[in-house]
Amino acid sequence: QSALTQPASVSGSPGQSITISCTGTSSDVGSYNLVSWYQQHPGKAPKLMIYEVSKRPSGVSNRFSGSKSGNTASLTISGLQAEDEADYYCCSYAGSSTHFGTGTKVTVL
Amino acid sequence: QLQLQESGSGLVKPSQTLSLTCAVSGGSISSGGYSWSWIRQPPGKGLEWIGYIYHSGSTYYNPSLKSRVTISVDRSKNQFSLKLSSVTAADTAVYYCARSTIFNAFDIWGQGTMVTVSS
Repeated sequence: QSALTQPASVSGSPGQSITISCTGTSSDVGSYNLVSWYQQHPGKAPKLMIYEVSKRPSGVSNRFSGSKSGNTASLTISGLQAEDEADYYCCSYAGSSTHFGTGTKVTVL
Repeated sequence: QLQLQESGSGLVKPSQTLSLTCAVSGGSISSGGYSWSWIRQPPGKGLEWIGYIYHSGSTYYNPSLKSRVTISVDRSKNQFSLKLSSVTAADTAVYYCARSTIFNAFDIWGQGTMVTVSS
């Protein structure tokens, strides 16, 4: 099973915008609009931030947005805040299977 | 508010079978439109999908684990379970149970339980 590729780390200053990429293949990200994103703080369970590429669950800040082009999905965090410092994982349906991304550590400078 | 809680042995010997249970509270595991999943995270590493069971009882597993994994549901107890056989040190991880929507989004997670494989 192939993990989706994410950058190991991304950083930004408070108030800035950052974007995390998630590259898959034509068998997962490229074939289905079923990409989700998760935020994980140390020692905590992951939290759903985006589903179906760009939809936000109730209670998630509108500073988080998602998009997709071809085999690559992206998560953008605008107006970066200290509380956004965490690990982020993308996830894609892959036809009776599910692939997670390699994970990205977001650091707020 | 639906909640999930994992339980099971935190220490398993190599070659033995890992067994975990996820208790569902605040709602019914038989609710249509959801599947019930297991996901794990080795120390310091990323998330790995193990598999899920649909409300219909159909199961889908990670191909790399398929020969060793069984996920089942006990509707009378409102819980679902994971069995992973022939474990090795590589199976040491935090194991999470989670609910998945029809859009393959894991919207509710348990707190996770650490399982160590060691003699």
